[in-house]
Amino acid sequence: QVQLQESGPGLVKPSGTLSLTCAVSGGSISSSNNWWSWVRQPPGKGLEWIGDIYHTGSTTYSPSLKSRVTISVDKSKNQFSLKLSSVTAADTAVYYCARRGSGTYFWFDYWGQGTLVTVSS
Amino acid sequence: DIVMTQSPDSLAVSLGERATINCKSSQSVLYSSNNKNYLAWYQQRPGQPPNLLIYWASTRESGVPDRFSGSGSGTDFTLTISSLQAEDVAFYYCQQYYTTPLTFGGGTKVEIK
Repeated sequence: QVQLQESGPGLVKPSGTLSLTCAVSGGSISSSNNWWSWVRQPPGKGLEWIGDIYHTGSTTYSPSLKSRVTISVDKSKNQFSLKLSSVTAADTAVYYCARRGSGTYFWFDYWGQGTLVTVSS
Repeated sequence: DIVMTQSPDSLAVSLGERATINCKSSQSVLYSSNNKNYLAWYQQRPGQPPNLLIYWASTRESGVPDRFSGSGSGTDFTLTISSLQAEDVAFYYCQQYYTTPLTFGGGTKVEIK
């Protein structure tokens, strides 16, 4: 059973950089069948896809966030990370890491529990 | 971007009654080469991450009760809960995986009447 666990600071100052890590257990991040994703959900609002990374390091980002987002992978630690720069209050959200398929399936099948990140001074 | 529009925003249904949620995409998510609709449905209970219910628009994920069903093709889709149970109180989201950026509907809140 694949498990994902987000970690990182719960409070970030405006104009700062949000940094989160997702630890993957029960499966290899080097699997050729999966993309590793970040999705966020502002309080009381819907879901927004941020971007994905493949184990090769190939990334896809939401155009609306692309200029501020970096997703990286650390295969030795079986984890991947999110950095979002120049944050504002609008970036306050629960951030989820998730797994989605590649090749034979494409939906999100495993999710972390999510971590709330608040942008405030 | 493909815009996903769900309706209604919320609905209240009596226990044992049918709940119907609609999802419309701004362009077709039907891939002609394999005749599959690139659409999924998720359930999100309060304080929990989303949970996959349906993929390929109508295929139920393993372990999902058969009271949940998905239908539709092209741009118009429906999630039906045939007999609402108390544990079905949640938000429901559709999501297209036809192309990036991946996009979700705005969500539908299902409550007990």
